[in-house]
Amino acid sequence: GAGVSQSPSNKVTEKGKDVELRCDPISGHTALYWYRQSLGQGLEFLIYFQGNSAPDKSGLPSDRFSAERTGGSVSTLTIQRTQQEDSAVYLCASSFQSSLANTIYFGEGSWLTVV
Amino acid sequence: SQQGEEDPQALSIQEGENATMNCSYKTSINNLQWYRQNSGRGLVHLILIRSNEREKHSGRLRVTLDTSKKSSSLLITASRAADTASYFCATDAYGANSKLTFGKGITLSVRP
Repeated sequence: GAGVSQSPSNKVTEKGKDVELRCDPISGHTALYWYRQSLGQGLEFLIYFQGNSAPDKSGLPSDRFSAERTGGSVSTLTIQRTQQEDSAVYLCASSFQSSLANTIYFGEGSWLTVV
Repeated sequence: SQQGEEDPQALSIQEGENATMNCSYKTSINNLQWYRQNSGRGLVHLILIRSNEREKHSGRLRVTLDTSKKSSSLLITASRAADTASYFCATDAYGANSKLTFGKGITLSVRP
């Protein structure tokens, strides 16, 4: 597609349930990011995939959070046993990694509400 | 922790005025970028300035970078109500395959 696509756009889930959020990056982009943004706050880095390198998971807030990227393309962010504090917008972004310019392109985000 | 820190946190100006937003960072960088976000959705890239550049222009946007002070400024000239949004700086720390780290953002309100 033309841009980064995320699904679902909105998700309401009950506390304790697992959720999966999907990201389709721009074709050919080797780098993929997940960020989290709580209401009125900045972007919190979660995880970063770059090509075949081991992902940078340093931003994942707890072991309830995991992400994978299959075939170097689509990525899924999984949150297990969701808590109310997990409510946020989850933003995915991708880029054609370059040592000179690392402009990234964002999807519209997945709004997660845990009730 | 946040690499970039913007100030002010919020800025309210009259249409037609200039808006200046600042960003400070902590470690050496490859480049610094500014992004815009409307209504809490996806961010849109505005402008990138490399570490060896001091000033860059794009339309009504002017970005400066002072690597000795580890700071950048974004100037929006002749602001419009449509410029109302949140603005974020993002830094790409020095080194290959580094990730972008964002500041907390500045909320700009332009009054018509």
